[in-house]
Formats: sequence, C-alpha cells, structure tokens
Amino acid sequence: EAQVTQNPRYLITVTGKKLTVTCSQNMNHEYMSWYRQDPGLGLRQIYYSMNVEVTDKGDVPEGYKVSRKEKRNFPLILESPSPNQTSLYFCASSNYNSPLHFGNGTRLTVT
Amino acid sequence: AQKITQTQPGMFVQEKEAVTLDCTYDTSDQSYGLFWYKQPSSGEMIFLIYQGSYDEQNATEGRYSLNFQKARKSANLVISASQLGDSAMYFCAMTIRTNAGKSTFGDGTTLTVKP
Repeated sequence: EAQVTQNPRYLITVTGKKLTVTCSQNMNHEYMSWYRQDPGLGLRQIYYSMNVEVTDKGDVPEGYKVSRKEKRNFPLILESPSPNQTSLYFCASSNYNSPLHFGNGTRLTVT
Repeated sequence: AQKITQTQPGMFVQEKEAVTLDCTYDTSDQSYGLFWYKQPSSGEMIFLIYQGSYDEQNATEGRYSLNFQKARKSANLVISASQLGDSAMYFCAMTIRTNAGKSTFGDGTTLTVKP
C-alpha cells in the first residue's frame, strides 16, 4: 500500500529534551516536506527536500532541523523543544507537479 | 512570495445543496498548481482536486469542481449535492513550478453540512 508513515502519533516531552519525528514514504517520491498545523493558521511549511541531500527552509524553520540521507526518509529533529512548538505535525511526499501525500500526523506537546 | 487567502473561516450548507468555498492566491509566477485538500475531524489530509495554471478547462472530480478564474487569481472549490460526510476543514494550497517543493496553504474553511 502506498503510504507516508510518521511516528510517533502522539508525543509528550519536556522543554529542552531533543526529539526526532520519523517520516518514511514508499512511493519513490522526489519531494518530501514537513508542516505544522495550529488552530486558525492552516498548515505552515517547516522544511522541504527536493531530493537526497537537498533541503531548504519553508516558512517557519526556526527551532527545527531535517536531513535527507535516503530518498524514502525525512526525519524532523527538534534539538531543544520549547512550548511554542506544541502543535500537530504532518509529513508529506510528492512528485513534481503532483498532489501531496500526507502522513497521519504527530501531535506534539512540549511542557 | 506566494500567498493563499481563504476568507471564510466557517460555512454552513444544507444537505444535498451545492456550496462554494473561496480561495484567492497571489504569486508573480506564471506557472503554478492549485490544490484542494480535505481534513475530516479524524485529522488525515485528503487530496481532492488539482488545477494547473495553464489548464484551460476547470478541473472536475466527481462532486468536486474548481472554478478557476486566472485573471482574478481565484480558485474556488464547488461541492455539489453536499453530504453529511463533507463536513470537514478544507484547505486551498499552491505550488510554483520553479520551486515545486515549496507549498503554501490557506488558513482553511470549516464546512458543516446540516441534515
């Protein structure tokens, strides 16, 4: 089954404790991206990747890191999470000029 | 920079009636794609319909159609014969061809279908 898999679905952590949210796709898509969704603000792009080892900042990259060492994986890293990073996070993948395929989301709470 | 504006935070429609969700966009690029996604209360994001900037005909997918008016920079979603299952949040989004990894979303419209 074609899918984007994000883990974990729910995560509660404390300020400053490094965490990684994993994302993997099995559709051989070129593009992968991360978004955060906050009430009233829609989806805002954090980072995106056009191919292996090629990444670029989205609209809200501060406080996040990404890497694309393999085509299928695109983890999101929060080196020192803060409460303002409490949000719903989505990973997505696509090919050129095609719709985004989203993961099921990760609900992160930072206390 | 690209911008998507959805001016209707919430909309109500009677079951079996048609509804239009508004989306206007701003970009200086001539080549771009416009997408609509649905997010039910369960949280997943579902692709509905796509319109390319050079497509001469409005896109249609079943009960969904996209009213594309390029000169006005609008890409409204029309849902015909609304069903209770259409109650959800709807997002308009855009990508530009010269930077296809970059996607811009609107703030969304919450649609409630009344029985």
